[in-house]
Amino acid sequence: GAVVSQHPSRVICKSGTSVKIECRSLDFQATTMFWYRQFPKQSLMLMATSNEGSKATYEQGVEKDKFLINHASLTLSTLTVTSAHPEDSSFYICSAREGIYEQYFGPGTRLTVT
Amino acid sequence: KNQVEQSPQSLIILEGKNCTLQCNYTVSPFSNLRWYKQDTGRGPVSLTIMTFSENTKSNGRYTATLDADTKQSSLHITASQLSDSASYICVVGGTASKLTFGTGTRLQVTL
Repeated sequence: GAVVSQHPSRVICKSGTSVKIECRSLDFQATTMFWYRQFPKQSLMLMATSNEGSKATYEQGVEKDKFLINHASLTLSTLTVTSAHPEDSSFYICSAREGIYEQYFGPGTRLTVT
Repeated sequence: KNQVEQSPQSLIILEGKNCTLQCNYTVSPFSNLRWYKQDTGRGPVSLTIMTFSENTKSNGRYTATLDADTKQSSLHITASQLSDSASYICVVGGTASKLTFGTGTRLQVTL
């Protein structure tokens, strides 16, 4: 199957700083990418849908000014957590859509805000 | 409200045994149903994906079934291995590629 990578795999930052997470589709072009957040022992929660060349669509309750999403190319989407706080500590997972149905998930990024 | 419920929440089985995980959904309209395997600290990996017209699909030792009338699906794992220990997530796709995730079944395979 297709491969989606994320970088970094884990990051620790201080409260108040910003962190950027990259999501890349390595062997296919993805016009649509998705960003999810997952808390321990819970399922994935969709944060936003990212379309190449246009503004992201955020889910209800997700602050667009806090979670900045850029999808500048068909293989790269970035999520920037601005002014991070300890409650933003979570497992962030991206996925990229290929074709009509298939979504391939990245390996995730563990963010810890101290 | 679109929902996906999975049972059991957790399961422990001996290596070599078979098991079946259940998924009930109320997503409408329905487009497709997927089963993913998620290892701890990793992203989900697709096992099977079925559309409305498909009622069974296999991937190695994994066999998924779908009954669109009763809105139920199952994932059967044959001859379990230690590496099968993971969370198994049932995901239903609706309109506009919107996915509704179940909370998963945590499977532990022991010696």
